[in-house]
Amino acid sequence: GESVGLHLPTLSVQEGDNSIINCAYSNSASDYFIWYKQESGKGPQFIIDIRSNMDKRQGQRVTVLLNKTVKHLSLQIAATQPGDSAVYFCAEGGGYNKLIFGAGTRLAVHP
Amino acid sequence: NAGVMQNPRHLVRRRGQEARLRCSPMKGHSHVYWYRQLPEEGLKFMVYLQKENIIDESGMPKERFSAEFPKEGPSILRIQQVVRGDSAAYFCASSPEMVAGANVLTFGAGSRLTVL
Repeated sequence: GESVGLHLPTLSVQEGDNSIINCAYSNSASDYFIWYKQESGKGPQFIIDIRSNMDKRQGQRVTVLLNKTVKHLSLQIAATQPGDSAVYFCAEGGGYNKLIFGAGTRLAVHP
Repeated sequence: NAGVMQNPRHLVRRRGQEARLRCSPMKGHSHVYWYRQLPEEGLKFMVYLQKENIIDESGMPKERFSAEFPKEGPSILRIQQVVRGDSAAYFCASSPEMVAGANVLTFGAGSRLTVL
């Protein structure tokens, strides 16, 4: 039979506000974590990554926080813009780049 | 410097037909990965290949699915006797040789398969 996908959780924010997208990962042995952005009809696009020996990393307008104690990852986007509207996936990896993706969060930015 | 190129972008097949999806990695990348994405879901790992070798196919269905990455030419994901449940977006990613830790995967735009 056909499979039915789960609806993605959605985070709605006002343009200019900060956004925080959360992710729980499963494997405590993962070496690194990556956030990807996926716009409609396109492939995932790299945003930022962080290694397991770090707890924070900053990029341009984005910050990733890693809490290994509770296996939690977050992506913070400062001054969110309409162009940030997309689905965001966290992914965990180790070894030879075989990534395990989370379920994704849809970010909707309103003017 | 082209990125990861996938074709066709859209493919429609009737049940029982074969689907072939092609992926040309980024220049200089020798590692290819295939992922499948159902609507409103995350990407699921299928297979990891290097030139002429399948390294990890733990995510591939046991029947009807196969992948190759020949010495010359693109990587091919082949689905025989397609069923409606095969309808999905199939993404290819590539990476260079791993050097001192993780290398970020670069994804293509995907091939969207619809099975009627």
